[in-house]
Amino acid sequence: DAKTTQPNSMESNEEEPVHLPCNHSTISGTDYIHWYRQLPSQGPEYVIHGLTSNVNNRMASLAIAEDRKSSTLILHRATLRDAAVYYCILNRASGGSQGNLIFGKGTKLSVKP
Amino acid sequence: DSGVTQTPKHLITATGQRVTLRCSPRSGDLSVYWYQQSLDQGLQFLIQYYNGEERAKGNILERFSAQQFPDLHSELNLSSLELGDSALYFCASSVLGFGGEQYFGPGTRLTVT
Repeated sequence: DAKTTQPNSMESNEEEPVHLPCNHSTISGTDYIHWYRQLPSQGPEYVIHGLTSNVNNRMASLAIAEDRKSSTLILHRATLRDAAVYYCILNRASGGSQGNLIFGKGTKLSVKP
Repeated sequence: DSGVTQTPKHLITATGQRVTLRCSPRSGDLSVYWYQQSLDQGLQFLIQYYNGEERAKGNILERFSAQQFPDLHSELNLSSLELGDSALYFCASSVLGFGGEQYFGPGTRLTVT
């Protein structure tokens, strides 16, 4: 599976937008870009995923570069509850592929009141 | 609440013992994944089952085994436990065997003394 690179940590102020970057220069055509987050003392939580086009859901937006070698998770208004480790993961979606997620170290997001 | 349940929440046992962790996937999900999270190794994929069949294997020790039953619940068996097996064990489920989002349970915290 292709690798992703994320900053170790980021800080944000409450109620401000947060842009979490992820580089995945070796991404292949069938790799979906997934984002998960893990709040303290909880299991990982699905946030959003996409293939080529930008995606929006109630939690966040995912902006994917035209060459797909990078992406950005956007939290429109950070809340204290958004403080978590955010993981950017590539997941191949084809019939012969495995479905497991390969977690890196992620980005630890701190949100200041 | 992800809809994935795991029991027990906490487990304390001695070295050399055997334990069984249980996972019930979300209704309608056919695939179950087991992950281990320790302080030094991060989140690591152990094994995946899809509709009762083993689909993928990760860094799972030979002392560990799993199965998925006809009602789709899964059990992870850990035997000859060592101090280093102390970790959080997460189960996740998804509709398909590959791609798509995974929903994680709250985890079982295993402490081996």
